[in-house]
Amino acid sequence: GENVEQHPSTLSVQEGDSAVIKCTYSDSASNYFPWYKQELGKRPQLIIDIRSNVGEKKDQRIAVTLNKTAKHFSLHITETQPEDSAVYFCAARKRDDKIIFGKGTRLHILP
Amino acid sequence: DTGVSQDPRHKITKRGQNVTFRCDPISEHNRLYWYRQTLGQGPEFLTYFQNEAQLEKSRLLSDRFSAERPKGSFSTLEIQRTEQGDSAMYLCASSFRSGLAEYQETQYFGPGTRLLVL
Repeated sequence: GENVEQHPSTLSVQEGDSAVIKCTYSDSASNYFPWYKQELGKRPQLIIDIRSNVGEKKDQRIAVTLNKTAKHFSLHITETQPEDSAVYFCAARKRDDKIIFGKGTRLHILP
Repeated sequence: DTGVSQDPRHKITKRGQNVTFRCDPISEHNRLYWYRQTLGQGPEFLTYFQNEAQLEKSRLLSDRFSAERPKGSFSTLEIQRTEQGDSAMYLCASSFRSGLAEYQETQYFGPGTRLLVL
């Protein structure tokens, strides 16, 4: 079955700096990779996603890159702000199958 | 509110009791998912439905767990003879699966039901 590994488990960055979270997946048939942000006590919310036919996608300060050969994808947040503090989950899915989540990265933005 | 809703939001029960949770998906969504999330972990897949058909159940879902979606709209998740290890947040998500080969199946999560088994 699919397995998604996520690193680091905790990340602290100075406000204004960039944050990078990395994930690897095991099933080469995976073709959809969403990223979710979960604030304390709230539901996970989709922030960006990427399909396997694209290598990079950007939305304002957030970007995701995908390396299909290495089965590796990353989330990049630039110019971090206090409201970026949250837990971020990567996930992977095979076509027409369930989504498997990583264990999450707790991001702290330091003032 | 047109988002995914769940009821109740919190449930405290004694070990051995049965509990039932309800999820109302976004109205036009044909897929509905149940996840369990414990502290410091990502959502763990439990089961999912397309319309009223239950397509897959995780091996995490013991015989004490059962889920239904009788009319292809709302779903219920029942846990029988609850154990302390069942304490977790139970999340529901819904999405729309089209017939196209390429599709964006974004899952939208509900607020969750937090279960505490004493």
